[in-house]
Amino acid sequence: NAGVTQTPKFQVLKTGQSMTLQCAQDMNHEYMSWYRQDPGMGLRLIHYSVGAGITDQGEVPNGYNVSRSTTEDFPLRLLSAAPSQTSVYFCASRGWGVGTQYFGPGTRLTVL
Amino acid sequence: SQQGEEDPQALSIQEGENATMNCSYKTSINNLQWYRQNSGRGLVHLILIRSNEREKHSGRLRVTLDTSKKSSSLLITASRAADTASYFCATARDGSSNTGKLIFGQGTTLQVKP
Repeated sequence: NAGVTQTPKFQVLKTGQSMTLQCAQDMNHEYMSWYRQDPGMGLRLIHYSVGAGITDQGEVPNGYNVSRSTTEDFPLRLLSAAPSQTSVYFCASRGWGVGTQYFGPGTRLTVL
Repeated sequence: SQQGEEDPQALSIQEGENATMNCSYKTSINNLQWYRQNSGRGLVHLILIRSNEREKHSGRLRVTLDTSKKSSSLLITASRAADTASYFCATARDGSSNTGKLIFGQGTTLQVKP
């Protein structure tokens, strides 16, 4: 299994541009989440999903959209990038009834 | 807001010594988890302790949980240079065990000198 994969690994955007961060998992996990990691802030939950077609907001959802059309994929969309969204983004997944989350390698995003 | 507060923020020890990190949280929880993050990499799950457990071991790792004090500690015994990483506690609140929602602390950066 590849586990949780994320693309791209690095991205530079200009303010106002939009883009989609991709996340996929091949473990048939129901639960998927997006976090952002900023220096000194730990990880903060952006959005999460408990299954295909079901998403909900986390701690810091503003400026981000998600959808979950399949079990495998959970893309994160930045509608109009702002410098405050410069961060490292991690996607994670978890199976039913199991606490352990599996994390992707992250996407380092810089917004100029 | 952050659920977990970790202490210390940074820790530097010699190889062979033990390292202890502490985590405090604010609300009642279903379980508490510890993760490791090597520089520039994703997080790797280390150990999970449920709210009805007080202590758990995994290899050189020992985790304790005190729900009355809303705190947990992670002990790494006989540390190695390869243990150099950031360590995060994460909590799943009561009622959220089936949503995958984890709230992370700010982390402890551990440096183990050879």
